[in-house]
Amino acid sequence: AQSVTQPDIHITVSEGASLELRCNYSYGATPYLFWYVQSPGQGLQLLLKYFSGDTLVQGIKGFEAEFKRSQSSFNLRKPSVHWSDAAEYFCAVGAVSGYSTLTFGKGTMLLVSP
Amino acid sequence: GAVVSQHPSRVICKSGTSVKIECRSLDFQATTMFWYRQFPKKSLMLMATSNEGSKATYEQGVEKDKFLINHASLTLSTLTVTSAHPEDSSFYICSASGQGASVGIQYFGAGTRLSVL
Repeated sequence: AQSVTQPDIHITVSEGASLELRCNYSYGATPYLFWYVQSPGQGLQLLLKYFSGDTLVQGIKGFEAEFKRSQSSFNLRKPSVHWSDAAEYFCAVGAVSGYSTLTFGKGTMLLVSP
Repeated sequence: GAVVSQHPSRVICKSGTSVKIECRSLDFQATTMFWYRQFPKKSLMLMATSNEGSKATYEQGVEKDKFLINHASLTLSTLTVTSAHPEDSSFYICSASGQGASVGIQYFGAGTRLSVL
């Protein structure tokens, strides 16, 4: 069965500092990997995805993520965090099939300090 | 990008009543729609998957008679919480994927906060 682990429940970063959110997955085939962001009381917005090709993918809002097959990881990074980045971040794994069921991690809450 | 609209954003109802939540794809044909439930400070729990014109497939432990899902058109799916009780209070989120949107991507609605008194 597929699973996603986000080991950090919450992380606090100073504004302007760099950020890395960890994600490890377990999947029996080639994974399709996603990062979503959720602001309080809102739905999920897709930040970026990895399907194939270049293992370093760029997303919206200055985020990037790197797929490392050997480590079963898909960590999310941002070089300089802004206060507006404070939100919950979810990593997910899925398959491009008839319908793309996603398995989500438990999320990492990002807090940004002034 | 593909847009999914979910309505209402918030609903408060009395115990024993039924509540309907709508999920619409505004600019693409949603051949598949998903319904999730999210508990406070928890991840999303998939409740069911529905393909247009077919019966929904429910995840284990989700009562199909309690949570009625209809996906009668390529742009609309509804979730009806029947005879709601306080334990049904939660944040419900829909998502959709399909033709006219990027393959393999689920696009999410803004969610519905259900409070049952």
